Amino acid sequence: DSGVTQTPKHLITATGQRVTLRCSPRSGDLSVYWYQQSLDQGLQFLIQYYNGEERAKGNILERFSAQQFPDLHSELNLSSLELGDSALYFCASSSGTANYEQYFGPGTRLTVT
Amino acid sequence: DQQVKQNSPSLSVQEGRISILNCDYTNSMFDYFLWYKKYPAEGPTFLISISSIKDKNEDGRFTVFLNKSAKHLSLHIVPSQPGDSAVYFCAASEGSGTYKYIFGTGTRLKVLA
Repeated sequence: DSGVTQTPKHLITATGQRVTLRCSPRSGDLSVYWYQQSLDQGLQFLIQYYNGEERAKGNILERFSAQQFPDLHSELNLSSLELGDSALYFCASSSGTANYEQYFGPGTRLTVT
Repeated sequence: DQQVKQNSPSLSVQEGRISILNCDYTNSMFDYFLWYKKYPAEGPTFLISISSIKDKNEDGRFTVFLNKSAKHLSLHIVPSQPGDSAVYFCAASEGSGTYKYIFGTGTRLKVLA
């Protein structure tokens, strides 16, 4: 158990809809990272927050947004969903901002039908 | 453009023998590398890391080797155990000031009893 929790575990929704994925980092970790893993792909970095502020952006679509709250939990919002958004979404946390091992949650499997 | 490549999608090894997983990268600015292990239905688990100032890092049965001139790193597992059967991802970052890791697509290791 990494100490990182993600909810929900599974999500099935229709195209055009909006969903929110939630992540609680390990106790004491200030950084939260979001990754997308599509079928047979590596993990694609989406975005990082550190202590409530956005720190780095990767291949995140404009339809996607995220935030980190004062209690350090984070939410990833996906809107106008398309079939290609079906993937595993992982959240990870670390204690610092860079070059620290990241601890991953179990992921949320999103299926868009 | 895949900056971190794991060209072997799968590898089978006999229990007790050595497993060697390879990873190549193209960005010469990468200076911190990690290996993660992932079991089905779980998030990736940090295994071992190496900084570019080293060419080897060892942790129990796991050793990571870095060849900067060849832009190549490898993970050696000796001796391999059935519980090592998982997908292994390598990841790289540009070091302090950069907050994201680039992951490879993974190698599925199967250790045969």
